[in-house]
Amino acid sequence: DVKVTQSSRYLVKRTGEKVFLECVQDMDHENMFWYRQDPGLGLRLIYFSYDVKMKEKGDIPEGYSVSREKKERFSLILESASTNQTSMYLCASSLLLAGRTNFSTDTQYFGPGTRLTVL
Amino acid sequence: GQQLNQSPQSMFIQEGEDVSMNCTSSSIFNTWLWYKQDPGEGPVLLIALYKAGELTSNGRLTAQFGITRKDSFLNISASIPSDVGIYFCAGLGGTSYGKLTFGQGTILTVHP
Repeated sequence: DVKVTQSSRYLVKRTGEKVFLECVQDMDHENMFWYRQDPGLGLRLIYFSYDVKMKEKGDIPEGYSVSREKKERFSLILESASTNQTSMYLCASSLLLAGRTNFSTDTQYFGPGTRLTVL
Repeated sequence: GQQLNQSPQSMFIQEGEDVSMNCTSSSIFNTWLWYKQDPGEGPVLLIALYKAGELTSNGRLTAQFGITRKDSFLNISASIPSDVGIYFCAGLGGTSYGKLTFGQGTILTVHP
């Protein structure tokens, strides 16, 4: 069974703090993603990674960085948290096929989310 | 970037009613996915569509991949209270690495 876990369900931090959000998947997936979810805006992609030590910016990378030292773990880092980063953060993973001719394995599996509040 | 417009934004229905929601895009997608998110949880995949015109069912759920590849709809028949949640459409285009574009979500409330 597919499993994506996130280190915390709820987190409260102060403005200016450095924040680490951890995500672990046990499906040996190459792709991993970080989204934030805000009411009325759906899910917006922050960063994604298609291999260990590889990362690509998503649609809203400003104020965030990521780390992928091991295949199963993808970390989201807020270098200096701000109140506008209060949000629900969702991690996801998916398979990557060489050749990319079969999209049927691109389904993304999500973790339960981390609700971050920055005071 | 690519945009998905999902409607309606919210629905309030009585138990037993049918529900319909849709997504449209200005761009072509190769795959359409529909997810459901329960309160306080991450989205869970409901239905995946891979071919234009494809109609797929999963229990009381039916989804279709539009012929133009720019739209998709999801129907829920005979709604029940546990159908409550946020429903998201997502499209996969020609970009690499499985990046999805999500709709804004439809909030469904079912009154017993």
